[in-house]
Amino acid sequence: EDKVVQSPLSLVVHEGDTVTLNCSYEVTNFRSLLWYKQEKKAPTFLFMLTSSGIEKKSGRLSSILDKKELFSILNITATQTGDSAVYLCAVGGYGGATNKLIFGTGTLLAVQP
Amino acid sequence: GAGVSQSPRYKVAKRGQDVALRCDPISGHVSLFWYQQALGQGPEFLTYFQNEAQLDKSGLPSDRFFAERPEGSVSTLKIQRTQQEDSAVYLCASSLLGLGLADTQYFGPGTRLTVL
Repeated sequence: EDKVVQSPLSLVVHEGDTVTLNCSYEVTNFRSLLWYKQEKKAPTFLFMLTSSGIEKKSGRLSSILDKKELFSILNITATQTGDSAVYLCAVGGYGGATNKLIFGTGTLLAVQP
Repeated sequence: GAGVSQSPRYKVAKRGQDVALRCDPISGHVSLFWYQQALGQGPEFLTYFQNEAQLDKSGLPSDRFFAERPEGSVSTLKIQRTQQEDSAVYLCASSLLGLGLADTQYFGPGTRLTVL
């Protein structure tokens, strides 16, 4: 059965710290891995990763995928209170009549002033 | 519109009532998805449309759940005879491309359904 596991489940840091969020997966015929940030509303898209070893960056956020070891990490440097949110990892696979994503339960990040 | 919109944002129903949740995807997006998110959990897939065709409904939890997208744009998720376990946030997402292509899904704000 396809599954996505995120760790840690929750994390409390202080402003300025660097954090690393983990996502491991098992999926049939991997297609892509996506990271989303969810505050008290819609998940907002951060990154989509399809190739191993290529880092994607957006400001203080970066992410990389390892298709051999079946995991991805999301790094946030110089954290700010506005980074407090749930970070969701999702994976899509080829095959069947669907483009559905399978989500992990998320990592709850709290950044304290 | 600029993003995915959903209505209503909040819905309270008495057990046994029927509800209808609406999703307006990003204009021109081929694919449309419905997900259910329980408190403290990640979204779980319900159903997938490519244009007006419902290609995957494997995630619908029971035959009380029904979704349609008759003209390939707006979609409605209907829940008949609501039960307390149906209480959740219902998220709609759309993506530009169709089946089999790696593509970003953009989410709406969700409808929070509470069944009393």
